[in-house]
Amino acid sequence: AQTVTQSQPEMSVQEAETVTLSCTYDTSENNYYLFWYKQPPSRQMILVIRQEAYKQQNATENRFSVNFQKAAKSFSLKISDSQLGDTAMYFCAFMSGGTSYGKLTFGQGTILTVHP
Amino acid sequence: IAGITQAPTSQILAAGRRMTLRCTQDMRHNAMYWYRQDLGLGLRLIHYSNTAGTTGKGEVPDGYSVSRANTDDFPLTLASAVPSQTSVYFCASSTGTSIQFFGPGTRLTVL
Repeated sequence: AQTVTQSQPEMSVQEAETVTLSCTYDTSENNYYLFWYKQPPSRQMILVIRQEAYKQQNATENRFSVNFQKAAKSFSLKISDSQLGDTAMYFCAFMSGGTSYGKLTFGQGTILTVHP
Repeated sequence: IAGITQAPTSQILAAGRRMTLRCTQDMRHNAMYWYRQDLGLGLRLIHYSNTAGTTGKGEVPDGYSVSRANTDDFPLTLASAVPSQTSVYFCASSTGTSIQFFGPGTRLTVL
C-alpha cells in the first residue's frame, strides 16, 4: 500500500516571502500522479498543482511550483511571494496509475499561516 | 446546481441512529468517492464508484455503505452511528482523469 508523509504539522511565513512544504511518499509503482490540495478555513478542497510521475519537468502554476524527486520519492511544494490568502491546510496526495487508479492517498496535512 | 453538493452541511447525531449523507453532482462524472477527514490523519477513502451500478471499498469502509443508482447521486449511509464516526465527510467526483473535484463537506458529530 502506498503511504504519504508530511512531516511538518505547521509552518509559518511572512507575506511576500517564499515557503516550502515537504512531502514524501512510498510506492513500488512507476506510473502515478502526485497532487497538492489546499484547504482554507472555508473547508473547500482546492487543487493547487498536479505532477505526472513520467514527466521529469516540475509542474508550476503561477506562484506555486513543485520539486519532484522521483528517486528520492519526494514531492515538495514551493509557494513564492506568499499572500495572506495562502493561509490554509495543505495536503499532499498520491494516486496510482495502475489498478488503484482514481483512489487518492493523502498525507496528514500541513497548516500554513501567512503573517502580514 | 453547479459542481458537487452535499447535504446536510452539518449534523449532530445520537449514537445508534441511522444517517444518510447525500452527494449530488451535475457534471456527469462517471467516478465518485467518499472520504473522511480526521485531524492528523488527512483524508481517507471510505467507498468509491467507478460508474453507475458499481461500488467498491476504500481504506476505511467498515460501518459505512454506499449505493450508485444513477450517475448523479452517491449517498453514504451509516447504519448505526458510533462516536468514532465523528468526522468531516467529503464527496468527490472525476471524469476518469486523475483530477477529482470535491464537495463542500459535511461535519458529522456522533454523541
